[in-house]
Amino acid sequence: AQSVTQLDSQVPVFEEAPVELRCNYSSSVSVYLFWYVQYPNQGLQLLLKYLSGSTLVKGINGFEAEFNKSQTSFHLRKPSVHISDTAEYFCAARYGGYQKVTFGTGTKLQVIP
Amino acid sequence: DAGVIQSPRHEVTEMGQEVTLRCKPISGHNSLFWYRQTMMRGLELLIYFNNNVPIDDSGMPEDRFSAKMPNASFSTLKIQPSEPRDSAVYFCASSFENEKLFFGSGTQLSVL
Repeated sequence: AQSVTQLDSQVPVFEEAPVELRCNYSSSVSVYLFWYVQYPNQGLQLLLKYLSGSTLVKGINGFEAEFNKSQTSFHLRKPSVHISDTAEYFCAARYGGYQKVTFGTGTKLQVIP
Repeated sequence: DAGVIQSPRHEVTEMGQEVTLRCKPISGHNSLFWYRQTMMRGLELLIYFNNNVPIDDSGMPEDRFSAKMPNASFSTLKIQPSEPRDSAVYFCASSFENEKLFFGSGTQLSVL
């Protein structure tokens, strides 16, 4: 079955430090990958997406992610986090031509002042 | 566009009562998704529609749950009868073709 794995449920990090949130997906011939962010009491918003082309994808708020086919990973990174980045981050995948989007279990990023 | 609109924002009901959650997708979007979010299980896809037709309802927990999409601008998720374990945040999302999902603000459901 197709799945998305986020191994870290919570990641505490000091303000202005770099952060990496990990995501692995089940291998497929065709996969589209996404990172969404959820702020408290809100719905999810798209941070960035990988459909094809360059494996390094830049998103909003200074985040970027790298698609690594050999490791089936799509880790999210930011070189310097801000307090306002405190939120829950979800990795998601859409396989082949299917509309269905599978989400990981989420990683709560806590930025410590 | 106002985005995906869900109502109500909060619903508190008693066990056994019928609950109806509503969703208005973004105009022009042809896919609509219902998700449920809980601390224990995270974000679960319940059902999704493409061009108003249910495509995959394998995530619907049981027969107490039903969803309809009578037209391109409206969908409902109904729980009858409701149970305390149904308490969660229910999200509706819409998309066009294979583009990103746009989420509503969710309905916080509490079943007492």
